[in-house]
Amino acid sequence: GQQVMQIPQYQHVQEGEDFTTYCNSSTTLSNIQWYKQRPGGHPVFLIQLVKSGEVKKQKRLTFQFGEAKKNSSLHITATQTTDVGTYFCAGSSTGNQFYFGTGTSLTVIP
Amino acid sequence: DAGVTQSPTHLIKTRGQQVTLRCSPKSGHDTVSWYQQALGQGPQFIFQYYEEEERQRGNFPDRFSGHQFPNYSSELNVNALLLGDSALYLCASSVGWTGELFFGEGSRLTVL
Repeated sequence: GQQVMQIPQYQHVQEGEDFTTYCNSSTTLSNIQWYKQRPGGHPVFLIQLVKSGEVKKQKRLTFQFGEAKKNSSLHITATQTTDVGTYFCAGSSTGNQFYFGTGTSLTVIP
Repeated sequence: DAGVTQSPTHLIKTRGQQVTLRCSPKSGHDTVSWYQQALGQGPQFIFQYYEEEERQRGNFPDRFSGHQFPNYSSELNVNALLLGDSALYLCASSVGWTGELFFGEGSRLTVL
């Protein structure tokens, strides 16, 4: 079955430092989504990438989709305490159901 | 405009019992997906409903079943509960099956 792995599992950064999480799929993806889940909350949609090599930016967040459409990354510049949470990628190889990655838990130290 | 609503928010069951969880999708959404999220893990896809039919299914046993009603709301049923079924059950709605998933707050099930 489809597997989506993320690294690192945990990341602690000082406020103001950058943060990156990587997502790797065992199969070629048709599209990938990224979600953020705050502690005790539910996943909230951040973005969807569809094209090979696509790069999208949302303020301090930069999302990339690999050329082979098997990997993706999320980079946060100058982290803030509001960035705390777990970041999940969710990939789909068939264009319908999305399989979530293992997540990266981000802690920002003030 | 209400988002995705789920009920109940918390429930406790014992092994062998059955449970039904309910979900009302966001207005205008026609597709409902169910996920199981164990503590510290990512959401695991259970199944997806569209036009009142199960369209896709993840790697879950037949003890997990569901239904979608004409108003697009959905139910998740789990029979013969096991301790390992303890988790947060998330419902997500979308427009079609490729769109952004809007999640509800979830139903936290504890099996004793």
